Formats: sequence, C-alpha cells, structure tokens
Amino acid sequence: QKEVEQDPGPLSVPEGAIVSLNCTYSNSAFQYFMWYRQYSRKGPELLMYTYSSGNKEDGRFTAQVDKSSKYISLFIRDSQPSDSATYLCAMSAGQAGTALIFGKGTTLSVSS
Amino acid sequence: DARVTQTPRHKVTEMGQEVTMRCQPILGHNTVFWYRQTMMQGLELLAYFRNRAPLDDSGMPKDRFSAEMPDATLATLKIQPSEPRDSAVYFCASGGAGTGEQPQHFGDGTRLSIL
Repeated sequence: QKEVEQDPGPLSVPEGAIVSLNCTYSNSAFQYFMWYRQYSRKGPELLMYTYSSGNKEDGRFTAQVDKSSKYISLFIRDSQPSDSATYLCAMSAGQAGTALIFGKGTTLSVSS
Repeated sequence: DARVTQTPRHKVTEMGQEVTMRCQPILGHNTVFWYRQTMMQGLELLAYFRNRAPLDDSGMPKDRFSAEMPDATLATLKIQPSEPRDSAVYFCASGGAGTGEQPQHFGDGTRLSIL
C-alpha cells in the first residue's frame, strides 16, 4: 500500500459545481497537509496548508483533515474553468529531515 | 512576483551524455528541493538543501546523480551518464525560513528526454 493514495480521475464538472477532491494516507505520523495545484507544463503551486486536524477556508477553497480516518479533502465551491488543473495532495510528519510525500494528483476539468 | 527560475526548460540528448540542470531559488529562501515527476511515479523528492548544506539525498541514484549548491543563488542537478529511464520533468522548489520541509514555490521544470 502506498503511503498516500489519490484517485487520478479525470474528474469533469460543469461550471459552478462543488468539487470534492480526496486523499487517504497510511502514516499516522503525518501532521502537515497540503494541496498543490498544477497547470499543464507548469510547476505545482501551493494552494492550501493545514496543520493537524480541522478545516481551513480560503475564498472558494476549503481544506479538511480527518486524522482519525486518515483522510483529507479539498472542496472547491462555484468551480470555474480556470480551476481546470491537476490537484496534488502532499503531507509530512514535519520533523527535520523528513520528506514531503505527494499523491499522484487528480485531474479536474471544469466546463463552461 | 518572486519566482524560482529553472534552466533549461527543455533538454533532449543521447544516452550517455552529461546533463546539467540549474535552479535559481527565490532570493532569501534557505531551503531548496529537487523533485522528479513522471506519469508512473508522480512527484518524487530527489534531494534537498538547507542553508546550502545537503539534508537528504536518499531519493537520488548516487552512482549517476549529483546535486550541489555552489552558492545561495544557484542549485545544480547533474546526471552522468544519462539513461533513457531518466526522462522526466525535473522541478526545483524553494522555501523560506520556518517552512520546514514544505516547498513553497516551484519552478516550471526542466523537461528532459534521453534518447
């Protein structure tokens, strides 16, 4: 079993839909959880950053972490065509010298 | 906007040749990461530096890959000799003090093809 699992999609939704993206993980030591957005032929950009459990909201984006279920989610409200990209989850235990582990990414397409 | 700059953006070369990829991290960032992205494996950490000192290079095939930071404004990743399985997109990322192991800003990558 991989440390971080993410459904690759693709996920296709109409403009205005609510999008739910998810990752599961196996390492209970993970404390830092991130979502990156990657447009085609570009580097990933950090979208959301959460420490431990709970929710974090930033505009149309909400990140949720459920450590008891080892499950994290990213919700996008009122999705736009400009949200079409690959979304990567990433997580780490946070101690110095420990690497950030990435999911393989979910490809999202929002049609107008 | 501050950016991580990577050169070259594309590189096509023959097996056995030396490849050098360069990265200019964001000024003031003290942590620099090298990642490799493929369809099969996704994004994998190759090596990272803090204050120019290597902290972890366990993801890097040591017999052919080497990573260095000659100064605070330049990081290099070399492959010698290159092999077709090295074909991938190589990303550099940097992070500021206090961001730990979380890369904050990625460059747009070097797309490497080894024939």
